Amino acid sequence: DAGITQSPRHKVTETGTPVTLRCHQTENHRYMYWYRQDPGHGLRLIHYSYGVKDTDKGEVSDGYSVSRSKTEDFLLTLESATSSQTSVYFCAISDAGVNNSPLHFGNGTRLTVT
Amino acid sequence: AQSVTQLDSQVPVFEEAPVELRCNYSSSVSVYLFWYVQYPNQGLQLLLKYLSGSTLVESINGFEAEFNKSQTSFHLRKPSVHISDTAEYFCAVIDYNQGGKLIFGQGTELSVKP
Repeated sequence: DAGITQSPRHKVTETGTPVTLRCHQTENHRYMYWYRQDPGHGLRLIHYSYGVKDTDKGEVSDGYSVSRSKTEDFLLTLESATSSQTSVYFCAISDAGVNNSPLHFGNGTRLTVT
Repeated sequence: AQSVTQLDSQVPVFEEAPVELRCNYSSSVSVYLFWYVQYPNQGLQLLLKYLSGSTLVESINGFEAEFNKSQTSFHLRKPSVHISDTAEYFCAVIDYNQGGKLIFGQGTELSVKP
């Protein structure tokens, strides 16, 4: 596997609490992505980053924010978690854009909001 | 915007039988297509990709997919499946109307039975 570590691997939290998920890479790749995976929806892009401090929204960005202060770390924050944000979250990285370089995925974080 | 439709959410087959997982995409001027595989409790891994050239692309473990522009399809096939092929398979397309992001289908769960 490409050097991608997601933490935590599992988290249970209550509605209304803030949650931060971390993605750490050791590949020095430029692009980093956060996806959520839900049954019947496949993977949907939340936010992505094309460099340090350069981020943009994906298709399901409402309720989420991201930060990338270093090449190796991409943080996903749920400011006030809701039950609809219960999901499995995947971080992915790529070197040169998806058409020339495949996405490498982490093993996911399973988040449950009660 | 580009979209991807995987026509079957679940495909059960017996070991050594042939299988086809269907994928259709919405048309676009330039199309880059991918199949990813997700084994249980893991992230996604690139299985194969079509960028240009031959419309038939192959993976190292016996899967192949054919790009059919007239039918806007990119179906995945294997002539003889193994138990170890049990996984979820995702078709994906690059959407240049959304900044070159990778858009995933809903996934097809392949279950190979002995």
